[in-house]
Amino acid sequence: GDSVTQMEGPVTLSEEAFLTINCTYTATGYPSLFWYVQYPGEGLQLLLKATKADDKGSNKGFEATYRKETTSFHLEKGSVQVSDSAVYFCALSDQGFQKLVFGTGTRLLVSP
Amino acid sequence: GAVVSQHPSWVICKSGTSVKIECRSLDFQATTMFWYRQFPKQSLMLMATSNEGSKATYEQGVEKDKFLINHASLTLSTLTVTSAHPEDSSFYICSANHPLNEKLFFGSGTQLSVL
Repeated sequence: GDSVTQMEGPVTLSEEAFLTINCTYTATGYPSLFWYVQYPGEGLQLLLKATKADDKGSNKGFEATYRKETTSFHLEKGSVQVSDSAVYFCALSDQGFQKLVFGTGTRLLVSP
Repeated sequence: GAVVSQHPSWVICKSGTSVKIECRSLDFQATTMFWYRQFPKQSLMLMATSNEGSKATYEQGVEKDKFLINHASLTLSTLTVTSAHPEDSSFYICSANHPLNEKLFFGSGTQLSVL
């Protein structure tokens, strides 16, 4: 079945550092790909998405490109802030926003 | 934005007892809600789809008699873990499908520890 693999955390960075969180997927069809973020004490929130190959999703300085040839959807940000500290989940779906298949989540810790 | 409230945020119970977790959509009506479970160092896994006014649809390998789901109103779905055992200790999270844009909104999760 479909699956998502993302790097283990925690990822610890200093403020203004460059961030990459790797995400690769396995799917039989052509899924939509998502990154969700969970801040402490809150629910998961959609951060960005891409629905077809070579699409780039972006939001709040984060971006990820749907790479079909490498089955990847790596999350990047050029300069992280302390407020970006959260757990980031990569996910895919063959059915729009429903029936999401998640990765394990990666905790990001940003220090001043 | 839309808010989904989940309670309790954490619960500790004795083995053999039942635990109820509530998921409420606060500012929209959700005909469909989803329940997920995450064991340590594993993926967030879909357990079941909860449909208002009808029986829940369970994913393969999830015991429907152990994880009772009730979606009696358009704003509330409950998950009851019956006769809980230590292996049921996990992080449970719900989400609700917004009817206008079909986006998913998530609760903040419930950490269940069974002693």
